[in-house]
Amino acid sequence: QSALTQPASVSGSPGQSITISCTGSSSDVGGYDYVSWYQQHPGKVPKLLIHDVTNRPSGVSDRFFGSKSGNTASLTISGLQAEDEADYYCSSYSSGTTNVVFGGGTRVAVL
Amino acid sequence: EVQLVESGGGLVQPGGSLRLSCAASGLTFSNFYMSWGRQAPGKGLEWVAKVNQDGSEKYYVDSVKGRFTISRDNAKKSLYLQLNSLRGDDTAVYYCARDGYNYALDVWGQGTTVIVSS
Repeated sequence: QSALTQPASVSGSPGQSITISCTGSSSDVGGYDYVSWYQQHPGKVPKLLIHDVTNRPSGVSDRFFGSKSGNTASLTISGLQAEDEADYYCSSYSSGTTNVVFGGGTRVAVL
Repeated sequence: EVQLVESGGGLVQPGGSLRLSCAASGLTFSNFYMSWGRQAPGKGLEWVAKVNQDGSEKYYVDSVKGRFTISRDNAKKSLYLQLNSLRGDDTAVYYCARDGYNYALDVWGQGTTVIVSS
């Protein structure tokens, strides 16, 4: 069981916006602004999309938007495209016994 | 170009050991925390271990504490993970990654596969 909770799947039509949630606790997501999001296409290496809750590394599309409220972080993908079909993972710093925790991942389908 | 290349994976019996290596190029290796992550077949990502810039601080996920050891050699621009007392649930692709931001992994290697089976 993952430390952070994500929905197993989210789907949307091309051009739509979708939001993936990532729920933790005050020991991780809620207590620190160290939430990251990753995209992983099947058989590929994970790619960092968002760090420090809202920041996009250079080269990441501005269609990806990160936010946080309380113990829940969110990743919004706007203008959904076929290439966005992938697995998405959130992670956070944790003050518990494990330094970094991941969510279980969300499969995004573009209908 | 920043590149991380893992090696050392393979098939090992339960209770056995392996040493994974990660060779870095195109970055000032000694400036960064470095991590190992893993992904079991058909499963999600899991952070495994992290080491600070000079190797004096090390952090582990609970499930590998006492069994795995992370280390680094800045002169060789290399990261290592010693895996001991391996179990079936350690079977995974192991990734080397750079902590380029706060607790965020911005550069990943291609991974090396560890299979624990008799």
